[in-house]
Amino acid sequence: GAVVSQHPSWVICKSGTSVKIECRSLDFQATTMFWYRQFPKQSLMLMATSNEGSKATYEQGVEKDKFLINHASLTLSTLTVTSAHPEDSSFYICSASDNRGNTEAFFGQGTRLTVV
Amino acid sequence: AQSVTQPDIHITVSEGASLELRCNYSYGATPYLFWYVQSPGQGLQLLLKYFSGDTLVQGIKGFEAEFKRSQSSFNLRKPSVHWSDAAEYFCAVGPNYGGSQGNLIFGKGTKLSVKP
Repeated sequence: GAVVSQHPSWVICKSGTSVKIECRSLDFQATTMFWYRQFPKQSLMLMATSNEGSKATYEQGVEKDKFLINHASLTLSTLTVTSAHPEDSSFYICSASDNRGNTEAFFGQGTRLTVV
Repeated sequence: AQSVTQPDIHITVSEGASLELRCNYSYGATPYLFWYVQSPGQGLQLLLKYFSGDTLVQGIKGFEAEFKRSQSSFNLRKPSVHWSDAAEYFCAVGPNYGGSQGNLIFGKGTKLSVKP
């Protein structure tokens, strides 16, 4: 299957700073990328959908000014958590799809963010 | 409302025993259905998916799942569990419109423990 690489795997940052998470499709062109958030012992919740070259579409309740998503190329999307606070600590996972009919989206390995 | 229910939060089975993980969904139309497995601190790996056709689908690692439209269920089964199957299992549904399959609704997951 296709490979999606997420970086970093884990990050610890101070409260008030910003953190950038990268999601790369290594062997296919990801027309669409999805960002999920997973709280401990909870399921994944879709945060936003981004199409290459367009603004991301955010799910209800997700602050677009806090979670900045950029999908400038067909192989890279970034999620920047701005002015992070401890409540933003979570596991963030991206997935990527080439948008051809009935294709699955492939998941990255996730990023564990801890804000102290 | 669209939702996925995994009634069992935690299941423990003995190695070599059979396994069935339950999944029920509520969706406006016939969805695409997925089962993913997540090891601790890792991303998601697709076990199997149902798009159409035969309602019994085979996946990787010896897993299978059966789509029962009348029961809105998509239960995951394995005839003989191995210790390496211990992980968190997520059922998910996605829109059936032939496009990207990244916009998924996940269940809360079932944690599988395997006794020696």
